[in-house]
Amino acid sequence: AQKVTQAQTEISVVEKEDVTLDCVYETRDTTYYLFWYKQPPSGELVFLIRRNSFDEQNEISGRYSWNFQKSTSSFNFTITASQVVDSAVYFCALSGLNSGGYNKLIFGAGTRLAVHP
Amino acid sequence: DVKVTQSSRYLVKRTGEKVFLECVQDMDHENMFWYRQDPGLGLRLIYFSYDVKMKEKGDIPEGYSVSREKKERFSLILESASTNQTSMYLCASSRTGRTSTDTQYFGPGTRLTVL
Repeated sequence: AQKVTQAQTEISVVEKEDVTLDCVYETRDTTYYLFWYKQPPSGELVFLIRRNSFDEQNEISGRYSWNFQKSTSSFNFTITASQVVDSAVYFCALSGLNSGGYNKLIFGAGTRLAVHP
Repeated sequence: DVKVTQSSRYLVKRTGEKVFLECVQDMDHENMFWYRQDPGLGLRLIYFSYDVKMKEKGDIPEGYSVSREKKERFSLILESASTNQTSMYLCASSRTGRTSTDTQYFGPGTRLTVL
């Protein structure tokens, strides 16, 4: 079955702390794509990153970094030196042939991150 | 920048009413999607369309229908709204084709309450 698990329902940190959001996935596909989206209080999902299953290089974008490990089926997201503006719900998502097609996203339940001043 | 807009941010309807949720994208994307978002469940796909007048059911199509008469516009229809359809509805679009791997871009969402 295609599945995405975000075990952390809510995380609360103080500004400037580092925080890691976990994402574990299950898939039968050999070719698949993984995504992270951010949903701030305004409601719109903002695309953060997309990785394909053949690219296991870690990615860094400013304070954001992603650790993709096929061996553990994980695609974790770390925010370094968190800021209040990082407060949002973060979703991990998967697409692949067995999820009904590459254009169908399977979402995790989301992790709500609260960053306090 | 991709722009996906939804006709209403908040909507309150009564049980049994016919409800239309409208979504417009301005980037000439072929694919458009409707999701609903519920706490603890993430986003679930209701329907998607990969071309004008073409549609496919998602994971939870019951109680919903869709219409795509123009490429830029995708409507979600609740024929007879029920209280269990109270939810956040999100529209998305992506660039190309039915088997596309392109990234989906989302609108701001419509929070629908059915009384």
